Amino acid sequence: DVKVTQSSRYLVKRTGEKVFLECVQDMDHENMFWYRQDPGLGLRLIYFSYDVKMKEKGDIPEGYSVSREKKERFSLILESASTNQTSMYLCASSFWPSEQYFGPGTRLTVT
Amino acid sequence: KNEVEQSPQNLTAQEGEFITINCSYSVGISALHWLQQHPGGGIVSLFMLSSGKKKHGRLIATINIQEKHSSLHITASHPRDSAVYICAVSPTGADGLTFGKGTHLIIQP
Repeated sequence: DVKVTQSSRYLVKRTGEKVFLECVQDMDHENMFWYRQDPGLGLRLIYFSYDVKMKEKGDIPEGYSVSREKKERFSLILESASTNQTSMYLCASSFWPSEQYFGPGTRLTVT
Repeated sequence: KNEVEQSPQNLTAQEGEFITINCSYSVGISALHWLQQHPGGGIVSLFMLSSGKKKHGRLIATINIQEKHSSLHITASHPRDSAVYICAVSPTGADGLTFGKGTHLIIQP
């Protein structure tokens, strides 16, 4: 079974903190994605990566950065967390072209 | 940017009923995905399709590329089918998805 794991299920951080969300997949997928899910807005793409050290901006990259130093790991970084970044963050991975496999999500609260 | 519209937003039905959820999009795509999310649960991919029809158990997904429209059907619905069903599209197949807002389905016993 494909496994996509995320470092935390729940996270509480203070405004202004630097936050790291980690995602690891075990299927040697080239593509990895970060999304956020908000009530009323649904799922939106933040960043994606199609290879090590490669990254592409999604629909809402402002306030975020990413890092992909190894094929299996894709990190989302909130440089200075703000309350409007309180959300559910979901990581996904895939071969091309193929279905995406989602992690369990990290519910981040910024206070 | 692709706009993805789903209907209905909410659907309550009785066990055994035939269910249809619709999805339309505004710009040509390479693939359309149907996803399922149970309350408090993760997201699971049900189908990825670029043409025609796919079937898996009691679930059937169809797509009409010319009309930019897809449908997800559930036959002989069951309370365990209660979930949010999400349509998503991909312009090239390798990039990220653009999602509809989801259809919240409740199947009553």
